[in-house]
Amino acid sequence: SQQGEEDPQALSIQEGENATMNCSYKTSINNLQWYRQNSGRGLVHLILIRSNEREKHSGRLRVTLDTSKKSSSLLITASRAADTASYFCATWGSWGKLQFGAGTQVVVTP
Amino acid sequence: DTAVSQTPKYLVTQMGNDKSIKCEQNLGHDTMYWYKQDSKKFLKIMFSYNNKELIINETVPNRFSPKSPDKAHLNLHINSLELGDSAVYFCASSSLPLHEQFFGPGTRLTVL
Repeated sequence: SQQGEEDPQALSIQEGENATMNCSYKTSINNLQWYRQNSGRGLVHLILIRSNEREKHSGRLRVTLDTSKKSSSLLITASRAADTASYFCATWGSWGKLQFGAGTQVVVTP
Repeated sequence: DTAVSQTPKYLVTQMGNDKSIKCEQNLGHDTMYWYKQDSKKFLKIMFSYNNKELIINETVPNRFSPKSPDKAHLNLHINSLELGDSAVYFCASSSLPLHEQFFGPGTRLTVL
């Protein structure tokens, strides 16, 4: 079964707005990673957050991790049309491999 | 200066055929992976190699056979292709297994 599940499945916003998506997982992790996939392309790594970290930033991206709730969130501030993509969380744990969620499809309209 | 490359990008073939997908990375990474992404975009790992040694072999039909001739290459050979093999296959690499992964552009396989 899937380790990570994203919510919402799809998100439609206007340029300039913030986009927030959540990821929940089931078992203890070593780290959690967020990836972006543009249509017809490969995945691109965005941020890796370790289990002992609570928040990380990269440009307009902010990731939080709450290990007590087994959840993470990805916030994209001041979204742009180029942010239109699918966003995946992936967890690394004792099972020794990266397990991906089903993704959140984000559409940013100009 | 492509980091992870795959060939071909598209592969259309008949049921029962045998085909190969090639992957190369120029990042100097020790670990490489094959993933399968289905029509619902769910991404599942198939195989992982570390320094040419197989370290992950998921529940994949033995019609799928990975081969790593050296650290920079991981190829995927598929025998007796079936309709259900239609998917996008991604190669990826990382410096260590739990680090961030770099993905290739994908190979869209269509079995008719």
